[in-house]
Amino acid sequence: DVKVTQSSRYLVKRTGEKVFLECVQDMDHENMFWYRQDPGLGLRLIYFSYDVKMKEKGDIPEGYSVSREKKERFSLILESASTNQTSMYLCASSSGGLDGYTFGSGTRLTVV
Amino acid sequence: QQPVQSPQAVILREGEDAVINCSSSKALYSVHWYRQKHGEAPVFLMILLKGGEQKGHDKISASFNEKKQQSSLYLTASQLSYSGTYFCGTGGAQGGKLIFGQGTELSVKP
Repeated sequence: DVKVTQSSRYLVKRTGEKVFLECVQDMDHENMFWYRQDPGLGLRLIYFSYDVKMKEKGDIPEGYSVSREKKERFSLILESASTNQTSMYLCASSSGGLDGYTFGSGTRLTVV
Repeated sequence: QQPVQSPQAVILREGEDAVINCSSSKALYSVHWYRQKHGEAPVFLMILLKGGEQKGHDKISASFNEKKQQSSLYLTASQLSYSGTYFCGTGGAQGGKLIFGQGTELSVKP
């Protein structure tokens, strides 16, 4: 069964900490994406990548960065966590074909 | 800009039908539909491409009006398992990034 695995289901961090959210896919997909999900706002795109070492900003990249050193791994980095970054973070991957995105189970991050 | 979904929420009895709409202000290459159950990841339901190609769930259908930049998801003879939040995602190129709507919460009651 194809999978996108996010390293933590729940995470609590302090304001100002540097936070790493890890995402690994085993489907050999080229494309990987990070979204955050907030009530009433749907899923908003933070960053995405179409290839190793490639990254592009989404709609809300401020306060975030990403790293893609290997095809299967796409990391989201919060440089200095703030309380307004408390959210559910979803990673997804796709081949670009007709099978859509496969999402991970999400990381619920709370910044206190 | 996010596509706009309507309605925001709908409550059905088992066996009833529902339509969820998704409207974009931008030209679309593709529309995806996903369902998310509480506490779970969104699950892919269907993709519709400009030109008419589509692939999806055998019990769910959808339409894509390229000129109006709109898509509709049709849920017929709803089952309890259809409950969840439905998202449309719109894309400007095949395989490209998706911009998701705010979601439609569907509740199916016995």
